[in-house]
Amino acid sequence: DAKTTQPNSMESNEEEPVHLPCNHSTISGTDYIHWYRQLPSQGPEYVIHGLTSNVNNRMASLAIAEDRKSSTLILHRATLRDAAVYYCIRHTGNQFYFGTGTSLTVIP
Amino acid sequence: GAGVSQSPSNKVTEKGKDVELRCDPISGHTALYWYRQSLGQGLEFLIYFQGNSAPDKSGLPSDRFSAERTGGSVSTLTIQRTQQEDSAVYLCASGGGLAGHSYEQYFGPGTRLTVT
Repeated sequence: DAKTTQPNSMESNEEEPVHLPCNHSTISGTDYIHWYRQLPSQGPEYVIHGLTSNVNNRMASLAIAEDRKSSTLILHRATLRDAAVYYCIRHTGNQFYFGTGTSLTVIP
Repeated sequence: GAGVSQSPSNKVTEKGKDVELRCDPISGHTALYWYRQSLGQGLEFLIYFQGNSAPDKSGLPSDRFSAERTGGSVSTLTIQRTQQEDSAVYLCASGGGLAGHSYEQYFGPGTRLTVT
């Protein structure tokens, strides 16, 4: 199965860090890991991507396990605007395989 | 600048009719993707274009689905003899080109297709 697996939902308190896990046990050496998020009634938006090394950008950090079979998206301080469905995606060749996503609820 | 646009935003059609969905990508983007998102589900990859050619059509669910892209810009997704299971939101994304971020896709708002 080329898809990724994620928990269906998670909750976080506002201004606390959030760690969103993803399993991609069948990933191959050249496949990238991407994260997108989708706010209600909108198309997905890019968050971050990586191959082997951990990655940081203004939105989030991506921690990739040494064996690359799992990764974790880290939001350093959750805000109410971060409430969305977060998709972990396996990018192989020309295809992007989306999982079913994690619905993140941020509690004020 | 202008983002990815799709039309129509909503389409209701009767079972058995053909429909055409349109995507206008961001100017200069060479890559274009079509996805389908059924209610409460993740995105299902349909087809990818690089320029006008479609090197990967493996995601199209049946031969009732086809897509084309002309002039390296606008793309249309056609569904013939629509079935109720085709009801979904069809999302288009573009990437690459001037920005150089070939792995970052910019999504349109989608077309919600309802087959009655």
